[in-house]
Amino acid sequence: DIQMTQSPSSLSASVGDRVTITCQASQDISNYLNWYQQKPGKAPKLLIYDASNLETGVPSRFSGSGSGTDFTFTISSLQPEDIATYYCQQYDNLPRTFGPGTKVDIK
Amino acid sequence: QVQLQESGPGLVKPSQTLSLTCTVSGGSISSGGYYWSWIRQHPGKGLEWIGYIYYSGSTYYNPSLKSRVTISVDTSKNQFSLKLSSVTAADTAVYYCAREPLMGGYFDYWGQGTLVTVSS
Repeated sequence: DIQMTQSPSSLSASVGDRVTITCQASQDISNYLNWYQQKPGKAPKLLIYDASNLETGVPSRFSGSGSGTDFTFTISSLQPEDIATYYCQQYDNLPRTFGPGTKVDIK
Repeated sequence: QVQLQESGPGLVKPSQTLSLTCTVSGGSISSGGYYWSWIRQHPGKGLEWIGYIYYSGSTYYNPSLKSRVTISVDTSKNQFSLKLSSVTAADTAVYYCAREPLMGGYFDYWGQGTLVTVSS
């Protein structure tokens, strides 16, 4: 299985701050990497697919980049409604695997 | 708009079989083009992909659960189902069904999730 790691595991930032989360794969996964947002008690929501493509309807303050083994997810200006846990997920290989998540809080 | 809805018992006894169904509306499973997945989340933990099925019945299971998992599809009811045998407390989790485009690899539609507790 491809192992996914994320850092940090949690962060606190102020409204308007730029927030960056990193995701690393245990082997080269090209750009086969997606990002999800999960709010408490809710199902995950797809934000970014293929490492850098914004899902329809997702605000442009969310972005993703990277390829190979190292990926970055950015919120350009943190909003109160962005409080959630963010997960990366690879689909280069089966089984699909997710990162452990990064919990984002407001300072 | 595609919607997925999980249903099934919220409480299962140890050693028994967990059975859940996902009903799809707003789109037909038999039209093809998508894999239909089960994903679970242990309380307060991350996401674990269990496996998927195609409308034809072809499946892939996570090797970590393969010996205990069966996913089936009923295209006449536009449903797919999960059976997990010999459950223990470690199988207590929120179970989600989700859709994955064949040419995508991402999960674009999810059910709301259902908590299954394994306890006597």
